[in-house]
Amino acid sequence: DVQVVESGGGLVQPGGSLRLSCAASGFTFISYWMHWVRQVPGKGLVWVSRINGDGSRITYADSARGRFTVSRDNAKNTLYLQMNSLRAEDTAVYYCVRGTISGASYFDHWGLGTLVTVSS
Amino acid sequence: DIQVTQSPSTLYVSVGDRITITCRASQSINHWLAWYQQKPGKAPNLLIYEASSLETGVPSRFSGSASGTEFTLTISSLQPDDFAVYYCSQYHTDATFGQGTRVEMK
Repeated sequence: DVQVVESGGGLVQPGGSLRLSCAASGFTFISYWMHWVRQVPGKGLVWVSRINGDGSRITYADSARGRFTVSRDNAKNTLYLQMNSLRAEDTAVYYCVRGTISGASYFDHWGLGTLVTVSS
Repeated sequence: DIQVTQSPSTLYVSVGDRITITCRASQSINHWLAWYQQKPGKAPNLLIYEASSLETGVPSRFSGSASGTEFTLTISSLQPDDFAVYYCSQYHTDATFGQGTRVEMK
């Protein structure tokens, strides 16, 4: 079965950093684009970033560009999101999601999410 | 940036009702639109992609259609398990989600 499992969330002070990880299994990880999507509890979904299979193509939402860095380790079947200069408005549940092989950004498998809270 | 406007924000319905939710894109996105269902405390679940293609395992009472920049999700006969929040998402350029439609019991 396809699984993606996030970890690394927690409480961090404004201006701090956090690295999220996503362990993938049950599919050929290197073949798929992978994404991060976030959701403020009780609010809507916001796409954050994506990375292609070999890590050579990366895109960010405006809110993440310059502060967040997405990467992947295909040997470990793991996706990462390094988040720096965190702000209160980055507080959200962060979902690791599987995209497609083609690059079309719809998402057929989601993790359970990891909560990031930015607060002093 | 491509914006997606979803309506209504809330639908009050009864079991057995036929319901429609609409998303309008700010520019042409061809058929690059998906629909998701999200239940409280859970991750979203893909229902439809490419505007009208039903994801494997999704009941056939769900369907999607497109006309220009307007997209519709239809549930032909609402079941108790369908009370949830529904989101559309364009993926012509990156991904942008609609604001969500909460389907609640009348």
